[in-house]
Amino acid sequence: KAGVTQTPRYLIKTRGQQVTLSCSPISGHRSVSWYQQTPGQGLQFLFEYFSETQRNKGNFPGRFSGRQFSNSRSEMNVSTLELGDSALYLCASSFAGPSYEQYFGPGTRLTVT
Amino acid sequence: GESVGLHLPTLSVQEGDNSIINCAYSNSASDYFIWYKQESGKGPQFIIDIRSNMDKRQGQRVTVLLNKTVKHLSLQIAATQPGDSAVYFCAENIRDDKIIFGKGTRLHILP
Repeated sequence: KAGVTQTPRYLIKTRGQQVTLSCSPISGHRSVSWYQQTPGQGLQFLFEYFSETQRNKGNFPGRFSGRQFSNSRSEMNVSTLELGDSALYLCASSFAGPSYEQYFGPGTRLTVT
Repeated sequence: GESVGLHLPTLSVQEGDNSIINCAYSNSASDYFIWYKQESGKGPQFIIDIRSNMDKRQGQRVTVLLNKTVKHLSLQIAATQPGDSAVYFCAENIRDDKIIFGKGTRLHILP
């Protein structure tokens, strides 16, 4: 079956702009988690959605938000972009949540200039 | 604090030898541990997991060992191959299903 897909793969934005990233989970998976990966901080958990509800949130400012649709597809939004938001944004899907095997997408590389 | 770390940032291993990647965790309440492999330009790939009620789990060419007494996790890769070159992350499931990742160890395979 198809893996996790993320769009777009690459994005360049300017400080102050906002951005929306999309993630399509594996068919049948209802949990989608988002992570930020940077060389300095590594992989950090942003939030997790299950059946359209945010169940968990990491330690990120309110500029980072997300949502999940009834078909389990998820989007994350970052408003008022800062240079430090430049990172690889990864989403992962699983059948029931992060306590089960997660499958990652290839990520969206966001560069903020 | 709640953190997952790795003892070595880079590990070089001769092709055909066994690799051992280590990880320390600090949260004694963590109940689920995972190893991921990340190749350049790709997202992390699940390798193997282990729950806190076990101390060893084996997969294909990989073994994960969990020592809860010293809060230590290790990944053993048997007969290391060039395709094993990647960054390996351990991850820890703390309360409420939050996954905390370690910083990663780069595995370098020598010919």
